[in-house]
Amino acid sequence: AQSVAQPEDQVNVAEGNPLTVKCTYSVSGNPYLFWYVQYPNRGLQFLLKYITGDNLVKGSYGFEAEFNKSQTSFHLKKPSALVSDSALYFCAVRAYSGAGSYQLTFGKGTKLSVIP
Amino acid sequence: DVKVTQSSRYLVKRTGEKVFLECVQDMDHENMFWYRQDPGLGLRLIYFSYDVKMKEKGDIPEGYSVSREKKERFSLILESASTNQTSMYLCASSFSSRYEQYFGPGTRLTVT
Repeated sequence: AQSVAQPEDQVNVAEGNPLTVKCTYSVSGNPYLFWYVQYPNRGLQFLLKYITGDNLVKGSYGFEAEFNKSQTSFHLKKPSALVSDSALYFCAVRAYSGAGSYQLTFGKGTKLSVIP
Repeated sequence: DVKVTQSSRYLVKRTGEKVFLECVQDMDHENMFWYRQDPGLGLRLIYFSYDVKMKEKGDIPEGYSVSREKKERFSLILESASTNQTSMYLCASSFSSRYEQYFGPGTRLTVT
């Protein structure tokens, strides 16, 4: 069965420092991987995805993620954190659910706090 | 821009009531989804639909049903609301499984 793990419930980083939010996955076949961000009392917003191609994927708001097949990881990164990046971040993997349909399995989320 | 709207941002219902949550998307997406979000549990898929009048159970369908009579609208129904269904409910849509899902703002449902 497919699964996604976000090993850190919370990540604290100082403004201006690089940030990393970790994600590992388990899925049969080639993974489709996604990162979403959720601001307080809002729905999720798509940040970036990996389907195929370059292992380094660039997304919205200066975020990027590195796909590592051997380590089954898809960590989210940003070179310089902003206070406005403080939010809840979710990693997700697409998985086959039978009868030709697919669904996303989400991690439990990582709360990122950027300290001024 | 894709827009996914949900009928209510906040809803308070009593135990045993029948509850309807409505979701509408404006981008002609094939797939629509209902999730619930609870602290420490992330998002869990309740039901999804990949075509009109089609539905598939997700990971936690018990106590819920859905309806998709038109492509743009996907309704979640709580037949008899219970306190353990107090949660944030998120609707999403996507063009296909290769593409990202777009989420609505969520409905925070409280069952008393």
